[in-house]
This record gives sequence, structure tokens and C-alpha cells, in this order.
Amino acid sequence: DIVMTQSPDSLAVSLGERATVNCKSSQSVLYSSNNKNYLAWYQQKPGQPPKLLIYWASTRESGVPDRFSGSASGTDFTLTISSLQAEDVAVYYCQQYYSTPLTFGQGTKLEIK
Amino acid sequence: EVQLVESGGGLVQPGGSLRLSCAASGLTFSDHYMDWVRQAPGKGLEWVGRSRNKANSYTTEYAASVKGRFTISRDESKNSLYLHMNSLKSEDTAVYYCVRVGGYYDSSGHYYIDAFDIWGQGTMVTVSS
Repeated sequence: DIVMTQSPDSLAVSLGERATVNCKSSQSVLYSSNNKNYLAWYQQKPGQPPKLLIYWASTRESGVPDRFSGSASGTDFTLTISSLQAEDVAVYYCQQYYSTPLTFGQGTKLEIK
Repeated sequence: EVQLVESGGGLVQPGGSLRLSCAASGLTFSDHYMDWVRQAPGKGLEWVGRSRNKANSYTTEYAASVKGRFTISRDESKNSLYLHMNSLKSEDTAVYYCVRVGGYYDSSGHYYIDAFDIWGQGTMVTVSS
């Protein structure tokens, strides 16, 4: 199984400041046939289902604000919120969909400082 | 608008059975892989299993934690996905989400799966005596 490890477990950032969440996969999730990293980021607010933010490690889902961005370097992945807004308070999960069993990171709780 | 609506959750005793349903609308149901994901109270997300699309004969795959106890099926005529859960344990207590797996065909006709782009609201299953 591919293990996804997120850091930090929790994060407090001031409004308007940058927030960065990291995710590391235990093996490559780069699919050679299409040269894409099979890595997604989800946002989950209390009492709601998760919402897809980023797929292919760096492609923003339609309707997601452009302050959200994703990047990849080998097996290291980063979700960046460039200017934190109050509505961004949530838990963020990374997920690999390269192979089954699909696996998620443990989640990073983002709060306002 | 694509919508997934789960139902069938509730309280069940250990060792019991339950069937969850997921009604899909606004999509061509047979074209898509459909998965189940669960979330125990206060915990993270856990993939439960998958039903591939019609082109892949609706074949299924399961997480090790539920294999042999849970079965995923579809009713194409009702645009519905099901999760049949047997021999339930306390550790199966969770919100169960039905999710659509995104995907696309390339120019050569190869199908590539994508992330979970549509989630239902979830249905709570509590396994307790």
C-alpha cells in the first residue's frame, strides 16, 4: 500500500498570510503513460463532505479560488493557500489515486491565528 | 447538476447486516467508476471499495479491512450504487460517502481515472449493541 504522510497535523495562520501543507507518498504516484502525478487535495469543513480542490497534483478544480495551488517534486507534494481567508478554515487531505487501495493522508487542520 | 444521495444508514448490532444505497442523477452512471469512502467519528478518510464502469464490466475491488464482508453492486436501471455490509463490527462505525471517480478518454481510447470529483452528503452507520 502507498502510505501518504502529511505535515503538519495542524496549522494556525493569520488572515491574509500564506498557508502551506505538505504531503509525502511512500512511492512514486507518477503514471508514465500520461506523465501525471495521481495526487489530489481535498478540503473538508465541519459537517460537510470533502470537496476536491486540486487533482493531478497541480490542476485546480473548476470553481476553486486561484489562491489555492498545488505543486510536486518527486514524491513530495505541497498545497499552498496564498492569502488565507476565514472560509478556508478546514481539514485538508491529500490522496493518491495511482493504485488501490487508494490512500489518504491523515489530514491537516488549518485554523486562524 | 450531478448529485449523489446516500441512504440506508442507521444503528445495527455487531454481526448484523445493512445495505446502503446511493442514487445518482445528472450523470451517465454507466460511464463512471464509483467508490465508497468512509470516515469514523473524528477520524480521517478511508477508501472502502470501487465499482468500475460498464466498459470494465463493473468489476469491484475492496479495502483489506472490508474484503469478504462488504459487496458493492449497481442497478443501472435505477442509476444506483449499493454497499452491502455483512458481519459488521464496531470499527465499521462511520459516515459512508458515495463518490464519483472522475475520468477521461484520450485520443487512442484509453480511459484514465481521476480524483473523486463528486461526493454525496454521506450516511451514518453505527455498529453497537
